[in-house]
Amino acid sequence: GDSVTQMEGPVTLSEEAFLTINCTYTATGYPSLFWYVQYPGEGLQLLLKATKADDKGSNKGFEATYRKETTSFHLEKGSVQVSDSAVYFCALINNAGNMLTFGGGTRLMVKP
Amino acid sequence: NAGVTQTPKFQVLKTGQSMTLQCAQDMNHNSMYWYRQDPGMGLRLIYYSASEGTTDKGEVPNGYNVSRLNKREFSLRLESAAPSQTSVYFCASSEMGLAGSYEQYFGPGTRLTVT
Repeated sequence: GDSVTQMEGPVTLSEEAFLTINCTYTATGYPSLFWYVQYPGEGLQLLLKATKADDKGSNKGFEATYRKETTSFHLEKGSVQVSDSAVYFCALINNAGNMLTFGGGTRLMVKP
Repeated sequence: NAGVTQTPKFQVLKTGQSMTLQCAQDMNHNSMYWYRQDPGMGLRLIYYSASEGTTDKGEVPNGYNVSRLNKREFSLRLESAAPSQTSVYFCASSEMGLAGSYEQYFGPGTRLTVT
């Protein structure tokens, strides 16, 4: 079945550092890929998405590119802020569009 | 526009008790979902409802039942709670987005503890 693997956290960075959170997936067909963010005590919010190979999703300074050849969707940000501290989830949705499969989540902690 | 709302926010149950978690959405979405979130395991789908009047099992349905009361509301019931059901429960809804992106919108969650 479908699966998503993320790097384990926590990831601890200083403010203005470069961020990469790795995500790889296994799926049949051509899934859509997502990054969700969960701030403390809140539900998940969609951060960005990509629906086909070589698409780049971007939002709030975060970017991720759908790489079908490496089955990856790594999240990057050039300069993190303390307010980016949260848990980040990589996810895919299958061709039928009814099953969202999540990775285990990566906690990011940004220190001033 | 409240999005997806869930009640209650917190609940403590004793083993064997029953309860229903409520979820409502005001975005006129056809599809609704129940997930549980456990440490290090991401979110796992319990049940979903692709449209009003239909429900289907997800990855971890055992010990749960659902009801799609109408297009807005989707409830999750624990008939006989067990400590293994201690978790944070999230409801979500979606409509097919542009280019089939199927974006899901999540509620704030219900933190359930079973002692």
